[in-house]
Amino acid sequence: DTAVSQTPKYLVTQMGNDKSIKCEQNLGHDTMYWYKQDSKKFLKIMFSYNNKELIINETVPNRFSPKSPDKAHLNLHINSLELGDSAVYFCASSQVIAGGKTQYFGPGTRLLVL
Amino acid sequence: KNQVEQSPQSLIILEGKNCTLQCNYTVSPFSNLRWYKQDTGRGPVSLTIMTFSENTKSNGRYTATLDADTKQSSLHITASQLSDSASYICVVSDRGSTLGRLYFGRGTQLTVWP
Repeated sequence: DTAVSQTPKYLVTQMGNDKSIKCEQNLGHDTMYWYKQDSKKFLKIMFSYNNKELIINETVPNRFSPKSPDKAHLNLHINSLELGDSAVYFCASSQVIAGGKTQYFGPGTRLLVL
Repeated sequence: KNQVEQSPQSLIILEGKNCTLQCNYTVSPFSNLRWYKQDTGRGPVSLTIMTFSENTKSNGRYTATLDADTKQSSLHITASQLSDSASYICVVSDRGSTLGRLYFGRGTQLTVWP
C-alpha cells in the first residue's frame, strides 16, 4: 500500500549509458514531480506534470526526458549519463487544492555514475 | 530573486532538550510555507503547512510559526527525541500561477544525542 514508489532504489552505471527511473503513485493525485538532491542535500525541482501535461521544466539538460503515460506514472529517462548526474532522485505527487498542496515523496533512487 | 534561507545549517542537541530552526524567505507573492522532515535515506515528509493568515501550527512536539510581515518562520521542537535526528526543510510556495512554484531551503541537519 505504498503511496509513492520508485524503482530502482539504487542504480550504478557507467558514463554514457542511458537509464530510466520509474515512479508510480496510488494516491489519485493529478500532479507529479521529479526532484534531484545533490550531495549537499539540496532539493531542486526538475519537472512537474499535471494531468500528464508538462507544467514545470526547470533548467535541466535535454538529456533528461520525463514521460507520463498516465496520471499515476511519471518516468524519468536519462541519456548519455555524466558523472555530475550522480545524486538522489525523488519522485513526488500532490493534489492541487486551494491554499496549498501537500507533496508526498517517494523513497528516492540513488544514482551513481562511474 | 525568490529565495529561502535556513539557519543554522546544522545543529546538535541532547535528547530531551528543545530547539528552534529558522527560515527566512523573499518569495513574493506568498501562498504558503511548509516544513518537511527528511530522515536519512528517505524522502521528505510534510510536518506543517501554513498560509498567510496563520501564525502558528502544531503537529505533536513540532510547532511552526509564521510572521508574514517579516517573512520569517520557525520550527520549534519540544522535548527532542533521538528519532528527531533528520534534515528539516523549509519550502515556500508563491501564487504566481494556478499551481504555484515551490522554493526550497537547503535544510537544517539536526542531530539529537542521547
